[in-house]
This record gives sequence, C-alpha cells and structure tokens, in this order.
Amino acid sequence: AQSVTQLDSQVPVFEEAPVELRCNYSSSVSVYLFWYVQYPNQGLQLLLKYLSGSTLVESINGFEAEFNKSQTSFHLRKPSVHISDTAEYFCAVSENNQGGKLIFGQGTELSVKP
Amino acid sequence: SAVISQKPSRDICQRGTSLTIQCQVDSQVTMMFWYRQQPGQSLTLIATANQGSEATYESGFVIDKFPISRPNLTFSTLTVSNMSPEDSSIYLCSVGGLAGGAQYFGPGTRLLVL
Repeated sequence: AQSVTQLDSQVPVFEEAPVELRCNYSSSVSVYLFWYVQYPNQGLQLLLKYLSGSTLVESINGFEAEFNKSQTSFHLRKPSVHISDTAEYFCAVSENNQGGKLIFGQGTELSVKP
Repeated sequence: SAVISQKPSRDICQRGTSLTIQCQVDSQVTMMFWYRQQPGQSLTLIATANQGSEATYESGFVIDKFPISRPNLTFSTLTVSNMSPEDSSIYLCSVGGLAGGAQYFGPGTRLLVL
C-alpha cells in the first residue's frame, strides 16, 4: 500500500528566507507525485507534479520539487518566500498518471513572518 | 484543468438530518472523487463516483452513510446521512482523467453539525 509522510507539521520562516518542506513516500509500484497548496479558507490548488521525465519540476511561483527515487522523497523548496506563501501544503502520491486516486500526507503549515 | 463548483459552499445542520452536496464540472470528465477533510487534518478519499454504476468506497466509508450519485460525466452528488457532530468537515469533490495527469479540486463544502 502507498503512504505519504510529511515530516514537519509546521514550518515558520521569515520573509525572503529559503524553505524546504519535506515529503517521503512508500510504494511498491510506480509512483506519481504531487504538491497541492491550500490557502486559508480555500480549496486545494495544484502546485506542481512529477509524472515522468526530468526529476526536477517547477511551479510558476518559484517553488520546485525534486523526485529522488533512491531516497523515496519529493521535497518542496523555494529559495525566497513571500508573506503570500503562507498556506497549508500537501504532498500526495498516486499509482495512476491519469489523475486517479490520491493518497495525501498530513500536510505542512508554512507560516511566513515579516 | 476544469472549473469545478460545489453547492452549498457551507451549511450548519442539526444532528440526525442529511445534507446533499452537489459537484458540477464545466466539461466531461472520466473520473470524479469525493474527499473529506476533518478539522486540522489532511484529506481522506471517501469514494470514487462512477458514472452509471455504484460508487467505489474506501475502507471505513459505507454507502448507507455516504450515498453518491453520478448521473452523467459532469455532475455528482454526495449525501451525508444521519449526521452527527463527528461529520463536521470540509467535503471536496475532485476530477481526474484530464490532460496533464493531475486531479483538480472544487472549492469544498464546509459542514458544521450541531
């Protein structure tokens, strides 16, 4: 069975500092990995995904994540965060690259302070 | 991606009653899902809504408590039956099978059961 572990429930950082949100997964089959973001009182938005190809994937707002098969990780990074990045971030895994069933991690609350 | 709407956006209900949540997509999609997000928690898949047949429920969720309909490729409903305060959650529908291989989520329905 698949599972996802987000190692940090809360990550407080100062504005313009770098941040890494950690995600590890377990699976006995091929995996497809996703990061979603949930801003306060809003639904989930897809941030970025790894389906195949380059192991480094980027979002339009400066986040990036790297698929590391040997370490079974898909950590999310940003070199310089903004106040507006304050949100809950969820890592998710699927056995399906067609938008099928997702297993979510517990979430990491990123709090960016001025 | 797809534009997904849910109704109602929020509701306050009395225990013992039932609430039906609607999910509408602006294009035909092959896969639709229902998730629950309990307060301060991650997302848990309730079921996959199958067009023209019974939904596929995850462990811990049963049809009598969460009946689901999917009459066509753009619409689904989730009913939360005989509600108790433990059912207070955000309920989200999502869609898959679109180009890009990811799932996309609706804005969610915030349910409070008194």
